[in-house]
Amino acid sequence: DAGVTQSPTHLIKTRGQQVTLRCSPKSGHDTVSWYQQALGQGPQFIFQYYEEEERQRGNFPDRFSGHQFPNYSSELNVNALLLGDSALYLCASSYSGTGGNQPQHFGDGTRLSIL
Amino acid sequence: GDSVTQMEGPVTLSEEAFLTINCTYTATGYPSLFWYVQYPGEGLQLLLKATKADDKGSNKGFEATYRKETTSFHLEKGSVQVSDSAVYFCALIKYNQGGKLIFGQGTELSVKP
Repeated sequence: DAGVTQSPTHLIKTRGQQVTLRCSPKSGHDTVSWYQQALGQGPQFIFQYYEEEERQRGNFPDRFSGHQFPNYSSELNVNALLLGDSALYLCASSYSGTGGNQPQHFGDGTRLSIL
Repeated sequence: GDSVTQMEGPVTLSEEAFLTINCTYTATGYPSLFWYVQYPGEGLQLLLKATKADDKGSNKGFEATYRKETTSFHLEKGSVQVSDSAVYFCALIKYNQGGKLIFGQGTELSVKP
């Protein structure tokens, strides 16, 4: 049973470029959340997708956008990259059923470096 | 707003020592509480959880009790191993407000043989 898978594992971009990160949720999960983890910090919530719509959003600018596909996989897009966007981007999936209080399972993340 | 505060690291222990990592939270309502662990180069793994006051979560020898009166969820283990070396994150979530996990800053644990 595959867990949460993310691609690519590492990515190097320059300022001003755009990037797309991908996530496949754990089998049976229908909800995907994205987090940004700066070096030495705890993860910060970016947004969550359910039924192909953004359900909740953290304190991130509009340069951060996302999408969820009918198969529940998800993409995170970041435009006009800044040096401060360098971080580990984590995808987490969960199942919305049985009251919705199911724990989130994380992938290994995509390490994004901005030069 | 809601927040989680953890004791600062790094915490360095000898093998078989007793571990406590302190975690306190600020939140309205009734959050669920979690401990996640992150090994070098990996994502976060759920270690244990507690969903209501006085619940005790446990896994792999680790334990934490949800104390509403002190707004705490301290992580403990009776005898640590070198393989427990990792960064530990305390987190809360309020499911009635969606699925946003709020994390502490993390505590690095280093266990020496």
